[in-house]
Amino acid sequence: EPEVTQTPSHQVTQMGQEVILRCVPISNHLYFYWYRQILGQKVEFLVSFYNNEISEKSEIFDDQFSVERPDGSNFTLKIRSTKLEDSAMYFCASSGPYEQYFGPGTRLTVT
Amino acid sequence: SQQGEEDPQALSIQEGENATMNCSYKTSINNLQWYRQNSGRGLVHLILIRSNEREKHSGRLRVTLDTSKKSSSLLITASRAADTASYFCATDEAPTPLVFGKGTRLSVIA
Repeated sequence: EPEVTQTPSHQVTQMGQEVILRCVPISNHLYFYWYRQILGQKVEFLVSFYNNEISEKSEIFDDQFSVERPDGSNFTLKIRSTKLEDSAMYFCASSGPYEQYFGPGTRLTVT
Repeated sequence: SQQGEEDPQALSIQEGENATMNCSYKTSINNLQWYRQNSGRGLVHLILIRSNEREKHSGRLRVTLDTSKKSSSLLITASRAADTASYFCATDEAPTPLVFGKGTRLSVIA
């Protein structure tokens, strides 16, 4: 069964560093998303992406964040200058017209 | 986006018992989805029920939807220790982003 994959599973970085989180969505899906979950809190929407552009973004998705689909298969989330409060699980999701399928997540720890 | 809110917040049952979790939402929906999350892991899609459906089954899962009350329930029958997880409902369908509630933490004791 096709699935969304994410790498790395765990990323540790120092405050102020740039990180890139990678996702490979399900191949015939057209919509892509990033969500995050701070430990013990709700899953929060960050951004959605369709037809090579952002279709919707939340207030969390500020200028420090960017997304890209560089090669038709990968979907990346970049955080330019990480802050301590960026520590969270980051989930990628993709969908066709209905269900959204989530990847296993990347645990980002900012020290 | 529309928010689902689950109750109870936590539920503890013995293995073999049934577990029922509820979800309420505020506005009209196209569909409602249930997800499971094992501790520290990803979200697993369990089942989607459309606004014109009242009940749907998938294995040991039974989902009901009452659009007049804006509520849904997830029933897990004959629970197993492996069902221990958090369960979330989310409304709307792609490409609208999902909005998750705090979830119900289910503990199944062997």
